[in-house]
Amino acid sequence: GQNIDQPTEMTATEGAIVQINCTYQTSGFNGLFWYQQHAGEAPTFLSYNVLDGLEEKGRFSSFLSRSKGYSYLLLKELQMKDSASYLCAVREAGGRRALTFGSGTRLQVQP
Amino acid sequence: DGGITQSPKYLFRKEGQNVTLSCEQNLNHDAMYWYRQDPGQGLRLIYYSQIVNDFQKGDIAEGYSVSREKKESFPLTVTSAQKNPTAFYLCASSLDPGSAGTGANVLTFGAGSRLTVL
Repeated sequence: GQNIDQPTEMTATEGAIVQINCTYQTSGFNGLFWYQQHAGEAPTFLSYNVLDGLEEKGRFSSFLSRSKGYSYLLLKELQMKDSASYLCAVREAGGRRALTFGSGTRLQVQP
Repeated sequence: DGGITQSPKYLFRKEGQNVTLSCEQNLNHDAMYWYRQDPGQGLRLIYYSQIVNDFQKGDIAEGYSVSREKKESFPLTVTSAQKNPTAFYLCASSLDPGSAGTGANVLTFGAGSRLTVL
């Protein structure tokens, strides 16, 4: 089985940088995903890490350390529209190919 | 444009009734999934299917049933055996979860169906 932990809520200021952490425990690992979900809407894909290191995509970056079972999502130059929930999800190696999601981190961006 | 269509968007059910949520995709994806989301929580896997005529139980399959007779369609039935069915239901698909590479693993979600039991 898998256990994925994220902070429940975070608050940040417009224009600032925020880091959302995710720790996981899994019997096998085959990739970590970050999704953004606005209230009442479907999640949308942000980033994917399968090897250690940093993946950068515009204002968003994601980092992975497989040995530590740790990832973070970094959001730069925060905008009001970034207020949303951010979901960390892990894909196991082997038979089960569906993603297992954490409970999500609700980010509130303030003016 | 390709995508995933879920219907209905909102559904009300009386206790004891079965309801079926529709999920159709025209992305030519092999795998399809059903997740449930409760307020303030993450997504929990109900069922998934990696190929036509085959599906597997997820973490919370009790009280639900699915079928995968066509590649494009993966309907979910919420039966009267599901004791707390009020939730937001999300259908998703991916190209081929057995393949390497980001594109094969990324889930594309439908807009969701919100079920309320009266």
